[in-house]
Amino acid sequence: AQSVAQPEDQVNVAEGNPLTVKCTYSVSGNPYLFWYVQYPNRGLQFLLKYITGDNLVKGSYGFEAEFNKSQTSFHLKKPSALVSDSALYFCAVRVSNDYKLSFGAGTTVTVRA
Amino acid sequence: DAGVIQSPRHEVTEMGQEVTLRCKPISGHNSLFWYRQTMMRGLELLIYFNNNVPIDDSGMPEDRFSAKMPNASFSTLKIQPSEPRDSAVYFCASSLNNNEQFFGPGTRLTVL
Repeated sequence: AQSVAQPEDQVNVAEGNPLTVKCTYSVSGNPYLFWYVQYPNRGLQFLLKYITGDNLVKGSYGFEAEFNKSQTSFHLKKPSALVSDSALYFCAVRVSNDYKLSFGAGTTVTVRA
Repeated sequence: DAGVIQSPRHEVTEMGQEVTLRCKPISGHNSLFWYRQTMMRGLELLIYFNNNVPIDDSGMPEDRFSAKMPNASFSTLKIQPSEPRDSAVYFCASSLNNNEQFFGPGTRLTVL
């Protein structure tokens, strides 16, 4: 079985401050990890993924995520948040030889001006 | 590329009516997924197609739900008869060889 936990329902930060959205996972096997963002009334938009290699992954819109195998975490980060980053963020995991993605419950990010 | 296309974007219907949701995946993608999103249950995978063949339909909630993929560029999700508890946003997503999935804009279904 595989699962994802996003421990924070909401994250609030001021514009220009660092943003971190937390994600921990549980899988049997090698994890493939993904972050998606969902803006109101839109579909999920792919941000970045970790498959193998460098533990620090860079993605769209200045986001990055760090894979930590010992802590089974894949936290999403942005050094300087923008008001336009306000959205719902989903972490997802699957094992390398499977198609089924397990999504976290989502974290609502609000960046205040 | 136009991305994944879904229609209609919004659907309001009455209980007992048939509802058909449509999806055009990204050209060249060989995997297609139907998801349902609700506040209570989050994102749920309903069915997965690979090369137009249904591989896993274990997430389809009831026999009222059916999905088809007659060719590589089109899929439908049908609910017959619809019930109020089917109200949700339905997403179609596609991918190439099980790489990252790309989602359509969704269909917001309201069953009265």
